[in-house]
Amino acid sequence: EAAVTQSPRNKVAVTGGKVTLSCNQTNNHNNMYWYRQDTGHGLRLIHYSYGAGSTEKGDIPDGYKASRPSQENFSLILELATPSQTSVYFCASGDMGSSYEQYFGPGTRLTVL
Amino acid sequence: QQQVRQSPQSLTVWEGETAILNCSYENSAFDYFPWYQQFPGEGPALLISILSVSDKKEDGRFTIFFNKREKKLSLHIADSQPGDSATYFCAASRRGSALGRLHFGAGTQLIVIP
Repeated sequence: EAAVTQSPRNKVAVTGGKVTLSCNQTNNHNNMYWYRQDTGHGLRLIHYSYGAGSTEKGDIPDGYKASRPSQENFSLILELATPSQTSVYFCASGDMGSSYEQYFGPGTRLTVL
Repeated sequence: QQQVRQSPQSLTVWEGETAILNCSYENSAFDYFPWYQQFPGEGPALLISILSVSDKKEDGRFTIFFNKREKKLSLHIADSQPGDSATYFCAASRRGSALGRLHFGAGTQLIVIP
């Protein structure tokens, strides 16, 4: 069964601090995605990756960096966290070769004080 | 610009009724339309999807009706159950894209009253 895990599940950070959100998938999917979810906005794409070593900007990349060191792992990095980055973050994986379904992780709730 | 729009924002129905969730999109190049279901504290999960070559897709109690000319679609949930209470996201994609990125609507929160 498809599996995407995220850590931590909850995080409280201070303004100006560095935050790293981690994602691991065991689906052997090439594509991975980072979204944030806010009321009234649905899911918005922050960064994505086609495979190990690649990262691309999504629709709202400002203030975020991404890292894909391996097929399985994809991290989202907030170098200088701000209160406006308080949100729920979801990682997803997908493989456009077989289907168009994206498999989502359980999410990370980030609060920046 | 919001590429995918959903209405209503919130919907309450009685158990046994049919819930109708609406979706519209801007880009006529979109040809794949999945609906994702999300329960509180969980990530979204694919519920049902349709390709633009079809005008209807059924899976049990869930049916998508698709109108390509009007760029609209709707999700009908027949015989709604309390367990269907969740947030439903309509999404759209262009299959020719290697990324396969999904454009999500803002979601409809469905509440089914027993």
